[in-house]
Amino acid sequence: DTAVSQTPKYLVTQMGNDKSIKCEQNLGHDTMYWYKQDSKKFLKIMFSYNNKELIINETVPNRFSPKSPDKAHLNLHINSLELGDSAVYFCASSQVLAPYNEQFFGPGTRLTVL
Amino acid sequence: AQRVTQPEKLLSVFKGAPVELKCNYSYSGSPELFWYVQYSRQRLQLLLRHISRESIKGFTADLNKGETSFHLKKPFAQEEDSAMYYCALKDNAGGTSYGKLTFGQGTILTVHP
Repeated sequence: DTAVSQTPKYLVTQMGNDKSIKCEQNLGHDTMYWYKQDSKKFLKIMFSYNNKELIINETVPNRFSPKSPDKAHLNLHINSLELGDSAVYFCASSQVLAPYNEQFFGPGTRLTVL
Repeated sequence: AQRVTQPEKLLSVFKGAPVELKCNYSYSGSPELFWYVQYSRQRLQLLLRHISRESIKGFTADLNKGETSFHLKKPFAQEEDSAMYYCALKDNAGGTSYGKLTFGQGTILTVHP
C-alpha cells in the first residue's frame, strides 16, 4: 500500500565497500529522484529519471550510479564508499506534467560509513 | 541559478503563539513554490503549494514576488506542529531541469507546551 518505498532503511558499512539502495513507487509516476540529506539536514537533489531516462545529474561523484530498470524503480549504487557519503538518502517520484507535479518521498535510507 | 534561503535554522515558540517561518528565493522565471514538512520519524511530505492558495493544518503562505518571499504562517501554533519545514522552488524553465526542486536549508520548529 506504500506509495514510495526504499530498502534498506539503515545501512552501515566500511569505507571502500560498494552498496546499493533500492527504490520503488506504485503511483504510476513517470519521474523518480534521488536526494541526499546531509548531517545539517540540507536536502539536495542528486539525480532524476523520466521514463527510465536520466534527465538531471547534479554535481555528484561518478562513484554514484543510478539505474532505472523500469519506470517504477530507481536504484542507487555507490562504489568505493567514503566517510563523507554518510547521510540520509531519499527517493521521490512525481508525474512531471501533472498539475502541481507534487513529489512523493520515500522514508529514507540512513547510510553510515565507518 | 535558482536558490532558496531559509534564514532560521531553529525556531521556538509557545503553544498558541503565532509562528512565521521565513523563505526567500532567487529565480529568473515565474516561481512555483512549496512548503514540505518532515515530522519526527516520518517521511517528507507536501504541506502546501502557492498555486492553490490553500490553508493546510492552519498554515498559509503567500507568494510575494516583490520581496521574493514565501513565508509560512500560522496564527496559533500547536505542539503537533513541531517538525522540520523545508521551502522548495520548482524549476519551470523547461529543458532537462524541468520539475527539479531546490530546497532551502530547512527550519526546525519547536512548539513548547
